[in-house]
Amino acid sequence: QVQLQESGPGLVKPSETLSLTCTVSGGSISSYSWSWIRQPPEKGLEWIGYIYNSGSTTYSPSLKSRVSISVDTSKNQFSLKLRFMTAADTAVYYCARGRWFGERGNYYYGMDVWGQGTTVTVSS
Amino acid sequence: DIQMTQSPSSLSASVGDRVTITCRASQSISTYLNWYQQKPEKAPNLLIYAASSLQSGVPSRFSGSGSGTDFTLTISSLQPEDFATYYCQQSYSAPPYTFGQGTKLEIQ
Repeated sequence: QVQLQESGPGLVKPSETLSLTCTVSGGSISSYSWSWIRQPPEKGLEWIGYIYNSGSTTYSPSLKSRVSISVDTSKNQFSLKLRFMTAADTAVYYCARGRWFGERGNYYYGMDVWGQGTTVTVSS
Repeated sequence: DIQMTQSPSSLSASVGDRVTITCRASQSISTYLNWYQQKPEKAPNLLIYAASSLQSGVPSRFSGSGSGTDFTLTISSLQPEDFATYYCQQSYSAPPYTFGQGTKLEIQ
């Protein structure tokens, strides 16, 4: 079955750029959409954005000026870059597969496969 | 952005209880509503999509209902493995696909 694994630095300095990669195994990345979600310590989930296999992206308005998501189909990976990191960006970062479920004549989006998450701390 | 509000924020219950969690959207989202379960130190797991459709492999004691702005997740008979935090998420309008703040279900 499809599995996702995040990788990247656990510690980032303030003002630097976070770079995370999600490796997809057990299936092709050339289908579905691929999302990043984060969860600050003891808080809820925040959707960051996603990329389709076509390369088109959609980002959360609150992060849009600092974030970019890209895909490398040759490596079956997609990546997140978040610029100008601050302490408020400290969180567990998850990658996830998004898919459209056909139901009752409509299509409904949900994230059905998740990575285990990687903890990112912003500190000097 | 569409705001999602869950109630209660926390809930204590016993094995075998019937439990209901509520999620309210700040505007109508039809049935574009997902529910996720998250256990400590684990990634979320999709339980229900389209407000009431059970994701493959999810036990039938979980059910969802609602449309428009008001939704519920019901667990018909709590099992020990169900104690977790539950999140709703709207998939009607992006960006962003907003989540509720979560409901922590604890053992009484």
